Amino acid sequence: SQQGEEDPQALSIQEGENATMNCSYKTSINNLQWYRQNSGRGLVHLILIRSNEREKHSGRLRVTLDTSKKSSSLLITASRAADTASYFCGSPTGNQFYFGTGTSLTVIP
Amino acid sequence: SQTIHQWPATLVQPVGSPLSLECTVEGTSNPNLYWYRQAAGRGLQLLFYSVGIGQISSEVPQNLSASRPQDRQFILSSKKLLLSDSGFYLCAWGEGGGNTIYFGEGSWLTVV
Repeated sequence: SQQGEEDPQALSIQEGENATMNCSYKTSINNLQWYRQNSGRGLVHLILIRSNEREKHSGRLRVTLDTSKKSSSLLITASRAADTASYFCGSPTGNQFYFGTGTSLTVIP
Repeated sequence: SQTIHQWPATLVQPVGSPLSLECTVEGTSNPNLYWYRQAAGRGLQLLFYSVGIGQISSEVPQNLSASRPQDRQFILSSKKLLLSDSGFYLCAWGEGGGNTIYFGEGSWLTVV
């Protein structure tokens, strides 16, 4: 079963704008992770945020976590055409690892 | 460093034919291994995971099976493919304990 849902399902922005995508999850988590998938490729890990953290930064990425609302958001600042990809949130539950449904981001040059 | 290899990259198979997708990991020992399926434009569905040799857990009942004959080898199989088995199959590995998992490049399966 899938752990969560990403919102929106698809997002189209102009280069230079910020992109925000949200993830809601169902069960308690130890950490939540964001991955990127270029079309037809495997997923690449972007960032991990632990359940006791509220915000984390990595380059142009900013991730927030609200465990009371069971939600997380990924912000990509100053987007580039190369950021065009699908983005998934995922979290481990025991030895399983479940992902959300993904947000397809298109950055228009 | 650790690497994961998955093959074949692309496969076109007739309905009713068998399937074997293979995944191997290098540079680590006793990894957790995972098989996911992704339908076109959709999310990832966890099919199988394994925490050790010969230990397979199935998430979804179906005509697919998985095996782990060696510590760093994970195989996805089917005796008779269905049209609905078409999709993008991804192998992944992780160290367990809630850590990050890392993906192979995927295998495109088209059943015709």
